[in-house]
Amino acid sequence: SQKIEQNSEALNIQEGKTATLTCNYTNYSPAYLQWYRQDPGRGPVFLLLIRENEKEKRKERLKVTFDTTLKQSLFHITASQPADSATYLCALVPRGDSSYKLIFGSGTRLLVRP
Amino acid sequence: NAGVMQNPRHLVRRRGQEARLRCSPMKGHSHVYWYRQLPEEGLKFMVYLQKENIIDESGMPKERFSAEFPKEGPSILRIQQVVRGDSAAYFCASSYQTFRAPSGANVLTFGAGSRLTVL
Repeated sequence: SQKIEQNSEALNIQEGKTATLTCNYTNYSPAYLQWYRQDPGRGPVFLLLIRENEKEKRKERLKVTFDTTLKQSLFHITASQPADSATYLCALVPRGDSSYKLIFGSGTRLLVRP
Repeated sequence: NAGVMQNPRHLVRRRGQEARLRCSPMKGHSHVYWYRQLPEEGLKFMVYLQKENIIDESGMPKERFSAEFPKEGPSILRIQQVVRGDSAAYFCASSYQTFRAPSGANVLTFGAGSRLTVL
């Protein structure tokens, strides 16, 4: 069966450290993978997008990797800050005509301690 | 430049009542998507609409749920005869156009959501 999994346990780290969040999927062949941030009581906010033929993408303190062999994406926040505390969602972009139907993981909550 | 506007933010209904959720997309966006988020679960696609057209409603329950995006006014998600299992956060998103992967990918702009509680 098709699955997209993110670690349901919260990730608790010290300010200044690098946070690494994982997104694994099975029985999908996504053309893209996206990462969103969601704060309590708010809607998701788009952060980064990576294509299937890209290994890595960076934006400021954020880095995303995409390994289509392992069927895994890693999301890194370097020099983390308390303001980075939020839930981070990965979303697969299917191929072709249904590519508008993003498939979301359930998210991983990140807590950055001052 | 207002983003995606959803209202009401919170809605309480008793079983059997109707819930109407409204969504105004970002200025210039003509594609609207509704997603549902149950506690501790990921967002699930419900329906994709363009002005006056339902493009894909495959994620929406066939009974009691309907959606529209009229020529004028906001998109409406309507849930008739609500049941406790309908309690969830309903998010609307919009985009300027729809891409067909792998040539491009949609980046969605989400509203803050409408939280429905059914008593």
